[in-house]
Amino acid sequence: SQTIHQWPATLVQPVGSPLSLECTVEGTSNPNLYWYRQAAGRGLQLLFYSVGIGQISSEVPQNLSASRPQDRQFILSSKKLLLSDSGFYLCAWSEKSSSYNSPLHFGNGTRLTVT
Amino acid sequence: GQNIDQPTEMTATEGAIVQINCTYQTSGFNGLFWYQQHAGEAPTFLSYNVLDGLEEKGRFSSFLSRSKGYSYLLLKELQMKDSASYLCAVGDYKLSFGAGTTVTVRA
Repeated sequence: SQTIHQWPATLVQPVGSPLSLECTVEGTSNPNLYWYRQAAGRGLQLLFYSVGIGQISSEVPQNLSASRPQDRQFILSSKKLLLSDSGFYLCAWSEKSSSYNSPLHFGNGTRLTVT
Repeated sequence: GQNIDQPTEMTATEGAIVQINCTYQTSGFNGLFWYQQHAGEAPTFLSYNVLDGLEEKGRFSSFLSRSKGYSYLLLKELQMKDSASYLCAVGDYKLSFGAGTTVTVRA
């Protein structure tokens, strides 16, 4: 069966510090990978998605970046965090489907507080 | 782009039925998904509809009308553990999510 691991679970970082969140998927190959953010009391916002190694699409302009160095590894980074970067960050994967309707499966999330 | 609307909050009694509506406008549609999210946790996949009609999975059912841009999630025989936020999502390989409906189940 497939599993998705995301870490750390919680993180408190000062403004201006760097960020690195990591996500790995097991039990599948060539998945679509995603980073979403959920601000307190709000919906999920798609930040980045990737259909393959080295292929990253950005959905929202911001000071965050994403990388996919390996097939089942997805990394979210920032060089300098802002207060507005606080939120619940969720990594997700889906199978590739010719009908483009595979459900997303989420990791447990990282709760980031920028102080 | 996508525009997804769902009620903010609903309250129901244990053992009752609750229907959560979702309306959407989208430029690309390959399916409508429902997720459950307990407070402080990640969303978990509940169901999805790609064709019009009703899909039933135990106590949960989901309905879709593509011509009307409308879906609902029906929760039957409510239990206290069903208290959560329910998210409607539409799209293709990229899903856009509604803000979620917080359901509170009271004894």
